[in-house]
Amino acid sequence: KNEVEQSPQNLTAQEGEFITINCSYSVGISALHWLQQHPGGGIVSLFMLSSGKKKHGRLIATINIQEKHSSLHITASHPRDSAVYICAGGNQFYFGTGTSLTVIP
Amino acid sequence: EAGVAQSPRYKIIEKRQSVAFWCNPISGHATLYWYQQILGQGPKLLIQFQNNGVVDDSQLPKDRFSAERLKGVDSTLKIQPAKLEDSAVYLCASSLLRGADTQYFGPGTRLTVL
Repeated sequence: KNEVEQSPQNLTAQEGEFITINCSYSVGISALHWLQQHPGGGIVSLFMLSSGKKKHGRLIATINIQEKHSSLHITASHPRDSAVYICAGGNQFYFGTGTSLTVIP
Repeated sequence: EAGVAQSPRYKIIEKRQSVAFWCNPISGHATLYWYQQILGQGPKLLIQFQNNGVVDDSQLPKDRFSAERLKGVDSTLKIQPAKLEDSAVYLCASSLLRGADTQYFGPGTRLTVL
């Protein structure tokens, strides 16, 4: 069992749809990170959160420390949101295996 | 603000050869990370530096991998000798503080071992 697990592994959505990606973790985490990785591109940090909710543009991240669960939401999805989304955290910065998102025009 | 720089971007070597990767973090960032990302997997932390000291290298295969950050700025990661399973993207990241702080990633070095 991985320390950080994500679901779904792959996600295809129509442009404009509301998207949710889930992350569950079994290790102690003081802060959880959501990252974005485009094909052939580098990794960009989207959010770092320790509690509650953060919003940036069309992206919203929430975390429930007690339940060891976090979600990343994308509102009004767009083809340029197509990427791999990764959650990570813990002392050894465990990464989830990522969710590959494809948004179809 | 300049981002995290890495070189080379691509490297192809034969097994049992040696290779070195270089990383220049964002100016002023005390913490530097090296990750290994095998195709289709999430990154795995290899080593974390705080200034020029090692914070965590528990997942670094020390029989063949080594890393240093002598002056607390640039860092090099070396593999000697390389194995086929070392083929991966090696990512460097830096953060201002240690622990719960945003990490900024470099573009990575794609290593192919033949």
